[in-house]
Amino acid sequence: GENVEQHPSTLSVQEGDSAVIKCTYSDSASNYFPWYKQELGKGPQLIIDIRSNVGEKKDQRIAVTLNKTAKHFSLHITETQPEDSAVYFCAASRGFNKFYFGSGTKLNVKP
Amino acid sequence: DVKVTQSSRYLVKRTGEKVFLECVQDMDHENMFWYRQDPGLGLRLIYFSYDVKMKEKGDIPEGYSVSREKKERFSLILESASTNQTSMYLCASTSEVANYGYTFGSGTRLTVV
Repeated sequence: GENVEQHPSTLSVQEGDSAVIKCTYSDSASNYFPWYKQELGKGPQLIIDIRSNVGEKKDQRIAVTLNKTAKHFSLHITETQPEDSAVYFCAASRGFNKFYFGSGTKLNVKP
Repeated sequence: DVKVTQSSRYLVKRTGEKVFLECVQDMDHENMFWYRQDPGLGLRLIYFSYDVKMKEKGDIPEGYSVSREKKERFSLILESASTNQTSMYLCASTSEVANYGYTFGSGTRLTVV
């Protein structure tokens, strides 16, 4: 099955700095890569996703890049704010059924 | 607003009890999933279902079972709760037609004492 690895496990940045979280996957047939944000006491929420026919996608301060050849994808958050502090999960799947998740990154944005 | 609702936010149960965790979605999604979340281990898939009365084992099904009698409802059952099943349980749903990732519930934090 698919194996998704995520790094780093914790990330601390100063408010206004950028944050980058990286994931690798093993199944070359995976074609959908969502990112989730989980705030304390809540379920994960989808924040951005990318499909295998696209190399980059941006939504305001958040962007995701995908390198299919190297089988890795990354989440980039610019101009970080304290409300960006949360746990972030990457995932990979074939289609929209069973997803495989990374182990999560706890992001702390210091004011 | 689409929703996945888990019936309990917090549960405390005794070792050996039979525990039911309920999940209901209002999006007419055919696919539903149960994960458990533990620090440092991320989200691990317990069971999933692609249709009513269908179920498939995930990566860690031991000690659990599921029931899906109606499309909108997916129940996770701990046949005889044990302390190592203390965890956060997350339900999720998705659909090939919806064309986007999981919608998660808010989670149930289960403590087995």
